[in-house]
Amino acid sequence: DAGVIQSPRHEVTEMGQEVTLRCKPISGHNSLFWYRQTMMRGLELLIYFNNNVPIDDSGMPEDRFSAKMPNASFSTLKIQPSEPRDSAVYFCASSPPGRVRTDTQYFGPGTRLTVL
Amino acid sequence: GQQLNQSPQSMFIQEGEDVSMNCTSSSIFNTWLWYKQDPGEGPVLLIALYKAGELTSNGRLTAQFGITRKDSFLNISASIPSDVGIYFCAGQIGGTGNQFYFGTGTSLTVIP
Repeated sequence: DAGVIQSPRHEVTEMGQEVTLRCKPISGHNSLFWYRQTMMRGLELLIYFNNNVPIDDSGMPEDRFSAKMPNASFSTLKIQPSEPRDSAVYFCASSPPGRVRTDTQYFGPGTRLTVL
Repeated sequence: GQQLNQSPQSMFIQEGEDVSMNCTSSSIFNTWLWYKQDPGEGPVLLIALYKAGELTSNGRLTAQFGITRKDSFLNISASIPSDVGIYFCAGQIGGTGNQFYFGTGTSLTVIP
């Protein structure tokens, strides 16, 4: 299995630009999670989907952030407009069917975002 | 949000030494997890703990779920260079996947 696939691996953009991060979960997994990792705040859950439906988006920082999951094999996290404080590593994780549990999550390699 | 205090923040040890790190919280957790993150990669689950007092091993790694349910520790015995990385604890409240929190990590450097 290819594991969770994220693209791009690195993104450098200027403040005010729109940024779109992409994730392909492991085939057969039906839960998908978006995380943000920074030195100051560690790893934070932004939003998670179950069967393509957003279940909890309470971790999304503000309206500039939006996430979609149009089908079982693809999700996007969009930041518009981007700001320097959004610079972080963004991880996507997926987990198989069943009760949603942290211990069954598989993380992707992450997207390192730098907003200048 | 919930705070998980993980210590130490970083460690520099000689190859062959044992390592111990811990995680504490002001809240009671039902699950404790330990992850390792290699540079440029996502976290990988090492050990999961589900009951207070539980002691679980995975090779040279041993983790325990504290009796108070507010803490956990991870030990690595006879460290080797490939143990280098950042170790994270994570605690989960209740049975749903969204009520969990990660520690800020312990960076481990093993000197050959």
